[in-house]
Amino acid sequence: AQSVTQLGSHVSVSEGALVLLRCNYSSSVPPYLFWYVQYPNQGLQLLLKYTSAATLVKGINGFEAEFKKSETSFHLTKPSAHMSDAAEYFCAVTKGAGTALIFGKGTTLSVSS
Amino acid sequence: DTAVSQTPKYLVTQMGNDKSIKCEQNLGHDTMYWYKQDSKKFLKIMFSYNNKELIINETVPNRFSPKSPDKAHLNLHINSLELGDSAVYFCASSIETEAFFGQGTRLTVV
Repeated sequence: AQSVTQLGSHVSVSEGALVLLRCNYSSSVPPYLFWYVQYPNQGLQLLLKYTSAATLVKGINGFEAEFKKSETSFHLTKPSAHMSDAAEYFCAVTKGAGTALIFGKGTTLSVSS
Repeated sequence: DTAVSQTPKYLVTQMGNDKSIKCEQNLGHDTMYWYKQDSKKFLKIMFSYNNKELIINETVPNRFSPKSPDKAHLNLHINSLELGDSAVYFCASSIETEAFFGQGTRLTVV
């Protein structure tokens, strides 16, 4: 069975600081991995996805993530946090096309000035 | 043009009532889903439809019944609503591995 674990339910950073949100996956097949962002009272927006084309994946809003098979990790980073990055972030995994996403429990990112 | 749209956005109803949430996608995707987000923001798949055929039916009470009249629509009907059904329900559609989500329907059962 597939699963993802997000370490840290709440991460706080200062504006301009590095953002690091952690995600580890468990999968018996090559996984497809995703990071989604949810702003208050809104739906989920795709930040980036890993589909085996490249281990370093660049997404929207300056975010990127690196797939590390040896560590079964897919951590999300951004070099410099902005106030507008404050939101809920979800790591997710799926087996392939047409299959449902399995989500982690989410990480709340707070950004202070 | 909204890609995945759900109605209503907010729904407040009394215990025991029956309610429906509608979802439409204009992306031409074959696969649609319903997810439930609980009060702790945990997201879990409820149902998955591919071209109007039910693919996934997770352990969801029988009071929940999805209906797909065509591949662009996936509605969710809930009978005999209970307090524990209060949550945000998200509709989504997918092409290949990428899913697109609606804005969610916040259901509050009082």
